[in-house]
Amino acid sequence: GAGVSQSPSNKVTEKGKDVELRCDPISGHTALYWYRQSLGQGLEFLIYFQGNSAPDKSGLPSDRFSAERTGGSVSTLTIQRTQQEDSAVYLCASSLGASGGAADTQYFGPGTRLTVL
Amino acid sequence: AQSVTQPDIHITVSEGASLELRCNYSYGATPYLFWYVQSPGQGLQLLLKYFSGDTLVQGIKGFEAEFKRSQSSFNLRKPSVHWSDDADYFCAVDTGRRALTFGSGTRLQVQP
Repeated sequence: GAGVSQSPSNKVTEKGKDVELRCDPISGHTALYWYRQSLGQGLEFLIYFQGNSAPDKSGLPSDRFSAERTGGSVSTLTIQRTQQEDSAVYLCASSLGASGGAADTQYFGPGTRLTVL
Repeated sequence: AQSVTQPDIHITVSEGASLELRCNYSYGATPYLFWYVQSPGQGLQLLLKYFSGDTLVQGIKGFEAEFKRSQSSFNLRKPSVHWSDDADYFCAVDTGRRALTFGSGTRLQVQP
């Protein structure tokens, strides 16, 4: 597609359940990012992929959060044993990566709104 | 650690009026600087960015921003706002580690 796509657009789950959020980056973009947007914390960086490896996962809030990327394309963010404080909009972005040079621009998807009951 | 401050939580302007949204950053060197806009239910769209050179940067939708090193600021401006500019605006910095650090955002409301 032309832009970054994310699925599902909305997800409602019960506390304690696991959820998977998917991100399809722009074709040809080697870098992929996950952010979280919540009322209390604003926009927070979670993890960054270059290719299939994650050189920076410093923003993952706990070991319940994990992410993987396969084939240098699609990424999945998994939240295990969800808690109510996990409720937020999860945004994915992609960029050219190493070939993007200085100020490599990140292009954002529409997000997945996660609600934990 | 770097930080970004957007001191105005909510701004209301009349359509056709000029606009300035403030952004200050805290970082030891000059970071890469960005402004993004987010319309209701939408993702973030890049308005403009600064990484070197001319301190006045032109962006999309008639926006511009000026980098002032002495004030650690990167304020966003538009000479005449349109009703479609009603949205949330986020300033962000990249200190070279690729992860963006965002300000808390400014809600812009445009009155007819």
